[in-house]
Amino acid sequence: DIQMTQSPSTLSASVGDRITITCRASQSIYSWLAWYQQKPGKAPNLLIYKASTLESGVPSRFSGSGSGTEFTLTISSLQPDDFATYYCQQYNNYFPLTFGGGTKVEIK
Amino acid sequence: QVQLQESGPGLVKPSQTLSLICTVSGGSISSGLYYWSWIRQPAGKGLEYIGRMFTSGGTTYNPSLKSRVTISGDASKNQISLNLSSVTAADTAVYYCARGIPGTRSCYFDSWGQGAPVTVSS
Repeated sequence: DIQMTQSPSTLSASVGDRITITCRASQSIYSWLAWYQQKPGKAPNLLIYKASTLESGVPSRFSGSGSGTEFTLTISSLQPDDFATYYCQQYNNYFPLTFGGGTKVEIK
Repeated sequence: QVQLQESGPGLVKPSQTLSLICTVSGGSISSGLYYWSWIRQPAGKGLEYIGRMFTSGGTTYNPSLKSRVTISGDASKNQISLNLSSVTAADTAVYYCARGIPGTRSCYFDSWGQGAPVTVSS
């Protein structure tokens, strides 16, 4: 299986901050990576796919980059609605696809 | 816009079979464009992929659950079902159905149901 490691596991930040979350794969996944946002009690919501393509309707303050084994999700100016948990997911391998352990973004 | 809705018992006894249904609206599970999948999340923990179904009816499962999982579809009702046998407390989780967008060999998920909480307890 491909292991996905996210860091940090928790991030404390303020409204307006620029934040970056890192996701590392145990082997190359090229650009086959997605990012999701999940709020308490809700299903995950797709933000980015193919490492850097913004899903329709997602604010442009979200961006993704990287390829191979290292990827980042950046929020350029944190908004109150952005405090949530973020997950990366690789979809390179036939099976099984795997998720990172999550990064909780909390209010500083 | 496609919508997915999970339904099923919220409480299952140990050793029994967990059965859930995902009803899809706003799109056909027979369209041939998507993978229809199940993912679960224990309380306070991360996401675990269970498996997926193709339009043709073919399925692939997470090897860690493969011996206990069956995913199937009913095109006439536009529903996907999940059966997980011989459950234990470790299977307690919120179960999501999701629509998968094909990538090179697998998929990512652009639409999710609201989730069905399932507790395994006697």
